[in-house]
Amino acid sequence: GAVVSQHPSWVICKSGTSVKIECRSLDFQATTMFWYRQFPKQSLMLMATSNEGSKATYEQGVEKDKFLINHASLTLSTLTVTSAHPEDSSFYICSAPRTEEAFFGQGTRLTVV
Amino acid sequence: GENVEQHPSTLSVQEGDSAVIKCTYSDSASNYFPWYKQELGKRPQLIIDIRSNVGEKKDQRIAVTLNKTAKHFSLHITETQPEDSAVYFCAAVTGRRALTFGSGTRLQVQP
Repeated sequence: GAVVSQHPSWVICKSGTSVKIECRSLDFQATTMFWYRQFPKQSLMLMATSNEGSKATYEQGVEKDKFLINHASLTLSTLTVTSAHPEDSSFYICSAPRTEEAFFGQGTRLTVV
Repeated sequence: GENVEQHPSTLSVQEGDSAVIKCTYSDSASNYFPWYKQELGKRPQLIIDIRSNVGEKKDQRIAVTLNKTAKHFSLHITETQPEDSAVYFCAAVTGRRALTFGSGTRLQVQP
Protein backbone atom coordinates (compact mmCIF):
# COMPACT_ATOMS: atom_id res chain seq x y z
CA GLY A 1 0.00 0.00 0.00
CA ALA A 2 0.89 3.67 -0.18
CA VAL A 3 2.93 5.31 2.57
CA VAL A 4 2.25 8.64 4.23
CA SER A 5 4.72 9.89 6.78
CA GLN A 6 3.90 12.55 9.36
CA HIS A 7 6.31 14.34 11.67
CA PRO A 8 6.69 14.95 14.50
CA SER A 9 4.77 12.17 16.21
CA TRP A 10 4.48 14.24 19.33
CA VAL A 11 5.34 17.77 20.38
CA ILE A 12 5.03 19.83 23.53
CA CYS A 13 5.10 23.59 23.13
CA LYS A 14 4.54 26.66 25.22
CA SER A 15 1.38 28.69 24.92
CA GLY A 16 1.78 31.43 22.33
CA THR A 17 4.34 29.64 20.20
CA SER A 18 3.88 28.05 16.78
CA VAL A 19 4.24 24.43 15.77
CA LYS A 20 4.73 23.01 12.28
CA ILE A 21 3.59 19.52 11.35
CA GLU A 22 4.71 17.86 8.11
CA CYS A 23 2.88 15.29 6.04
CA ARG A 24 4.65 13.52 3.19
CA SER A 25 3.43 11.01 0.67
CA LEU A 26 6.50 8.84 0.16
CA ASP A 27 5.65 6.73 -2.86
CA PHE A 28 2.90 8.56 -4.69
CA GLN A 29 1.95 12.08 -5.62
CA ALA A 30 -0.87 13.74 -3.76
CA THR A 31 -2.43 16.86 -5.22
CA THR A 32 -4.85 16.82 -2.31
CA MET A 33 -4.24 16.06 1.34
CA PHE A 34 -6.61 16.32 4.26
CA TRP A 35 -5.97 17.41 7.82
CA TYR A 36 -8.05 16.01 10.67
CA ARG A 37 -8.15 16.71 14.38
CA GLN A 38 -9.15 14.26 17.06
CA PHE A 39 -9.80 15.25 20.66
CA PRO A 40 -9.58 12.55 23.35
CA LYS A 41 -12.33 9.94 23.10
CA GLN A 42 -13.85 11.70 20.10
CA SER A 43 -14.02 11.10 16.41
CA LEU A 44 -11.79 12.50 13.69
CA MET A 45 -13.03 15.80 12.32
CA LEU A 46 -11.94 17.27 9.01
CA MET A 47 -10.19 20.59 9.50
CA ALA A 48 -9.09 21.50 6.01
CA THR A 49 -8.27 20.33 2.53
CA SER A 50 -4.76 21.03 1.35
CA ASN A 51 -4.48 21.64 -2.40
CA GLU A 52 -1.14 21.57 -4.18
CA GLY A 53 -0.45 24.91 -5.81
CA SER A 54 -3.52 26.67 -4.46
CA LYS A 55 -5.09 27.83 -1.24
CA ALA A 56 -6.35 25.38 1.32
CA THR A 57 -10.06 25.15 1.98
CA TYR A 58 -11.17 25.15 5.57
CA GLU A 59 -14.16 23.57 7.25
CA GLN A 60 -16.66 25.74 9.02
CA GLY A 61 -15.40 26.90 12.38
CA VAL A 62 -11.71 26.33 11.63
CA GLU A 63 -9.68 29.54 11.72
CA LYS A 64 -7.55 29.77 8.60
CA ASP A 65 -5.26 32.36 10.15
CA LYS A 66 -4.54 30.08 13.09
CA PHE A 67 -4.07 26.84 11.18
CA LEU A 68 -1.83 27.68 8.26
CA ILE A 69 -1.60 25.09 5.53
CA ASN A 70 0.97 24.99 2.79
CA HIS A 71 1.08 22.40 0.02
CA ALA A 72 4.22 23.39 -1.81
CA SER A 73 4.83 20.16 -3.69
CA LEU A 74 3.02 17.04 -4.81
CA THR A 75 4.40 15.12 -1.84
CA LEU A 76 4.41 17.58 1.06
CA SER A 77 1.76 19.42 3.03
CA THR A 78 2.44 21.30 6.24
CA LEU A 79 0.11 22.44 9.00
CA THR A 80 1.32 25.24 11.25
CA VAL A 81 -0.58 25.89 14.44
CA THR A 82 0.10 29.53 15.20
CA SER A 83 -0.08 31.13 18.65
CA ALA A 84 -0.98 27.78 20.15
CA HIS A 85 -3.15 27.64 23.26
CA PRO A 86 -3.96 24.74 25.59
CA GLU A 87 -7.31 24.22 23.85
CA ASP A 88 -5.37 23.40 20.65
CA SER A 89 -3.94 20.33 22.36
CA SER A 90 -5.14 17.42 20.26
CA PHE A 91 -4.17 14.61 17.91
CA TYR A 92 -3.62 15.97 14.40
CA ILE A 93 -3.51 13.54 11.51
CA CYS A 94 -3.15 13.95 7.79
CA SER A 95 -4.32 11.73 5.00
CA ALA A 96 -3.70 11.52 1.30
CA PRO A 97 -6.15 9.77 -0.98
CA ARG A 98 -5.08 7.44 -3.74
CA THR A 99 -8.12 6.50 -5.79
CA GLU A 100 -10.78 6.16 -3.12
CA GLU A 101 -8.66 4.85 -0.28
CA ALA A 102 -7.18 7.23 2.29
CA PHE A 103 -3.66 6.71 3.57
CA PHE A 104 -2.97 8.23 6.95
CA GLY A 105 0.12 9.66 8.51
CA GLN A 106 1.09 8.45 11.96
CA GLY A 107 -0.52 11.45 13.60
CA THR A 108 0.93 14.16 15.84
CA ARG A 109 0.04 14.49 19.49
CA LEU A 110 0.24 18.22 20.28
CA THR A 111 0.33 19.32 23.89
CA VAL A 112 0.31 23.06 24.61
CA VAL A 113 1.40 23.99 28.12
CA GLY B 1 -22.55 18.38 3.93
CA GLU B 2 -22.38 14.74 4.83
CA ASN B 3 -23.42 13.55 8.30
CA VAL B 4 -22.64 10.05 9.56
CA GLU B 5 -24.26 8.60 12.67
CA GLN B 6 -22.85 5.50 14.37
CA HIS B 7 -24.30 3.17 16.99
CA PRO B 8 -23.67 1.87 19.55
CA SER B 9 -21.03 4.03 21.23
CA THR B 10 -19.84 1.09 23.33
CA LEU B 11 -20.23 -2.62 22.79
CA SER B 12 -19.15 -5.42 25.08
CA VAL B 13 -19.25 -9.02 23.87
CA GLN B 14 -17.94 -12.36 25.02
CA GLU B 15 -15.08 -13.90 23.10
CA GLY B 16 -16.47 -15.93 20.23
CA ASP B 17 -19.68 -13.93 19.94
CA SER B 18 -20.53 -11.65 17.04
CA ALA B 19 -20.44 -7.85 17.07
CA VAL B 20 -22.48 -5.54 14.87
CA ILE B 21 -21.95 -1.81 14.44
CA LYS B 22 -24.37 0.29 12.44
CA CYS B 23 -24.02 3.58 10.59
CA THR B 24 -26.29 5.85 8.63
CA TYR B 25 -25.30 8.60 6.25
CA SER B 26 -27.16 11.57 4.86
CA ASP B 27 -25.60 12.42 1.50
CA SER B 28 -26.83 10.20 -1.31
CA ALA B 29 -23.76 11.25 -3.32
CA SER B 30 -21.48 9.32 -0.94
CA ASN B 31 -20.06 6.38 -2.85
CA TYR B 32 -17.37 4.79 -0.70
CA PHE B 33 -17.72 3.51 2.86
CA PRO B 34 -14.61 2.42 4.74
CA TRP B 35 -14.40 1.02 8.25
CA TYR B 36 -11.44 1.72 10.49
CA LYS B 37 -10.01 0.22 13.65
CA GLN B 38 -8.10 2.65 15.82
CA GLU B 39 -5.93 1.79 18.77
CA LEU B 40 -5.04 4.45 21.31
CA GLY B 41 -2.69 7.04 19.92
CA LYS B 42 -2.41 5.35 16.55
CA ARG B 43 -3.59 6.13 13.06
CA PRO B 44 -6.87 4.57 11.85
CA GLN B 45 -6.35 1.21 10.19
CA LEU B 46 -8.59 0.27 7.27
CA ILE B 47 -10.22 -3.08 7.98
CA ILE B 48 -12.78 -3.30 5.20
CA ASP B 49 -14.51 -1.04 2.73
CA ILE B 50 -17.45 -1.14 0.37
CA ARG B 51 -18.39 0.82 -2.70
CA SER B 52 -21.84 2.04 -3.50
CA ASN B 53 -22.36 -0.43 -6.34
CA VAL B 54 -21.94 -3.41 -3.98
CA GLY B 55 -24.37 -4.64 -1.33
CA GLU B 56 -22.12 -6.85 0.74
CA LYS B 57 -18.44 -7.67 1.15
CA LYS B 58 -16.72 -10.21 3.35
CA ASP B 59 -13.13 -10.74 4.42
CA GLN B 60 -12.66 -13.70 6.74
CA ARG B 61 -14.36 -12.78 10.05
CA ILE B 62 -15.35 -9.30 8.94
CA ALA B 63 -18.23 -8.33 6.69
CA VAL B 64 -19.88 -5.10 5.67
CA THR B 65 -23.36 -4.58 4.25
CA LEU B 66 -24.70 -1.52 2.49
CA ASN B 67 -28.30 -0.50 1.91
CA LYS B 68 -28.17 2.51 -0.42
CA THR B 69 -31.90 3.07 -0.37
CA ALA B 70 -31.99 3.38 3.40
CA LYS B 71 -28.51 4.94 3.58
CA HIS B 72 -27.40 2.34 6.11
CA PHE B 73 -24.21 0.34 6.33
CA SER B 74 -23.08 -2.11 8.98
CA LEU B 75 -19.96 -3.87 10.16
CA HIS B 76 -20.20 -7.49 11.29
CA ILE B 77 -17.41 -9.20 13.18
CA THR B 78 -17.85 -12.89 13.85
CA GLU B 79 -15.97 -15.13 16.29
CA THR B 80 -14.63 -12.10 18.14
CA GLN B 81 -11.25 -12.29 19.83
CA PRO B 82 -9.71 -10.15 22.59
CA GLU B 83 -7.42 -8.53 20.02
CA ASP B 84 -10.50 -7.17 18.26
CA SER B 85 -10.94 -4.80 21.22
CA ALA B 86 -10.46 -1.25 19.91
CA VAL B 87 -12.42 1.76 18.71
CA TYR B 88 -14.09 1.31 15.34
CA PHE B 89 -15.12 4.15 13.04
CA CYS B 90 -17.30 4.08 9.99
CA ALA B 91 -16.88 6.77 7.35
CA ALA B 92 -18.43 7.99 4.16
CA VAL B 93 -16.67 9.56 1.21
CA THR B 94 -18.13 11.82 -1.46
CA GLY B 95 -16.57 12.95 -4.70
CA ARG B 96 -14.07 15.30 -3.11
CA ARG B 97 -12.64 12.29 -1.25
CA ALA B 98 -12.66 13.75 2.26
CA LEU B 99 -13.78 11.35 4.99
CA THR B 100 -16.75 12.06 7.21
CA PHE B 101 -16.42 9.82 10.24
CA GLY B 102 -19.00 8.39 12.54
CA SER B 103 -18.68 9.03 16.26
CA GLY B 104 -16.95 5.72 16.96
CA THR B 105 -17.73 2.48 18.79
CA ARG B 106 -15.59 1.19 21.60
CA LEU B 107 -15.63 -2.60 21.32
CA GLN B 108 -14.58 -4.70 24.26
CA VAL B 109 -14.21 -8.43 23.82
CA GLN B 110 -14.25 -10.20 27.17
CA PRO B 111 -12.08 -13.34 27.35
